[in-house]
Amino acid sequence: AQSVTQLDSQVPVFEEAPVELRCNYSSSVSVYLFWYVQYPNQGLQLLLKYLSGSTLVKGINGFEAEFNKSQTSFHLRKPSVHISDTAEYFCAVIGYSTLTFGKGTMLLVSP
Amino acid sequence: EAQVTQNPRYLITVTGKKLTVTCSQNMNHEYMSWYRQDPGLGLRQIYYSMNVEVTDKGDVPEGYKVSRKEKRNFPLILESPSPNQTSLYFCASSSDSGTGTQYFGPGTRLLVL
Repeated sequence: AQSVTQLDSQVPVFEEAPVELRCNYSSSVSVYLFWYVQYPNQGLQLLLKYLSGSTLVKGINGFEAEFNKSQTSFHLRKPSVHISDTAEYFCAVIGYSTLTFGKGTMLLVSP
Repeated sequence: EAQVTQNPRYLITVTGKKLTVTCSQNMNHEYMSWYRQDPGLGLRQIYYSMNVEVTDKGDVPEGYKVSRKEKRNFPLILESPSPNQTSLYFCASSSDSGTGTQYFGPGTRLLVL
């Protein structure tokens, strides 16, 4: 079985500040890791994914994430957020054939 | 344009009245799946399909049925809907179940009275 824990349900931040959204996972097999973003009233779209290789993964819109196997974490970061980054962010893991999502973190960017 | 379409986008129905939510993708993807999204619970997988005529249960399959007779279509069937199936439903497809990016449809908001 596999599971994903997103430690914060909401993260409020001011525009141009850095942000980190935390994600921890557990799995009995090797996993692939993903971050998806959901803008208001839309479906999900992929931000970035870790399959293998470099543990620092760069995605769209200036986001990056670092895979840490020893800490079973895959935290998402952005050095300077914009108002348009306001959205819900989901961490996900796939071990066998099923994709398991965390409960989501709402990023609230204010001016 | 590569896309996943779902219909209807919004649906209000009553308990026990059978309904079908259609899902279609134009990317020739083998892998398709259905999720439901509920506040505070994130997305939970209902069913998935690795290919035509191959389907399997996800985490919350009770009360749902699916079929995959054609590669492009993956309808979700609620034979006897109940109020606890009120939710936002997403269909997704991928070229590779393990590593491929999942492409999500726009969602279907269902209210069961």
